[in-house]
Amino acid sequence: EAQVTQNPRYLITVTGKKLTVTCSQNMNHEYMSWYRQDPGLGLRQIYYSMNVEVTDKGDVPEGYKVSRKEKRNFPLILESPSPNQTSLYFCASSLSGGFRELFFGEGSRLTVL
Amino acid sequence: GQQVMQIPQYQHVQEGEDFTTYCNSSTTLSNIQWYKQRPGGHPVFLIQLVKSGEVKKQKRLTFQFGEAKKNSSLHITATQTTDVGTYFCAGYETTDSWGKLQFGAGTQVVVTP
Repeated sequence: EAQVTQNPRYLITVTGKKLTVTCSQNMNHEYMSWYRQDPGLGLRQIYYSMNVEVTDKGDVPEGYKVSRKEKRNFPLILESPSPNQTSLYFCASSLSGGFRELFFGEGSRLTVL
Repeated sequence: GQQVMQIPQYQHVQEGEDFTTYCNSSTTLSNIQWYKQRPGGHPVFLIQLVKSGEVKKQKRLTFQFGEAKKNSSLHITATQTTDVGTYFCAGYETTDSWGKLQFGAGTQVVVTP
């Protein structure tokens, strides 16, 4: 089954404790992206990757890192999480960005205390 | 920042009624995509519009892209309880990277039986 898989789905952590949210897709997609969703703000792009080893900032990259060492994986790293990073995070992928539809993961709800 | 605006933010509809949600951009968009997110779920692609003035229909849903490619609308006729959810529009600005898909804040639709 074609899918985007995120882990963990739920996480409660404390300020400053490094964490990684993994994202993996099995559709051989070139493009991957991370979004955060907050009430009233919709989906805001954190980082995106047009293909392997190529990543770029979205609208809200501060406090986040990403890497794209393999086509299928695009982990989101929070080196020192803070409470304002409490949010619902979505990973998405598409064939090539641009005019291609995005396929979203199930989401990861992160709470930073 | 977010340059794609959606109105209204909330829409309460009686079952059987029609409603329209609007998406506006201050700049010209290359395309517009619409997604639906059910409560507790992830965004799912509905449709893409590319041409100026384009109109597409999916059963009771009608999507339109403005002549100037700066706005779009989604019209739902004879609303059903299955239409509950948040509808997002998203687009690429013509001057921006093909990686930066801008989402609106969404219209949350509640249907009263």
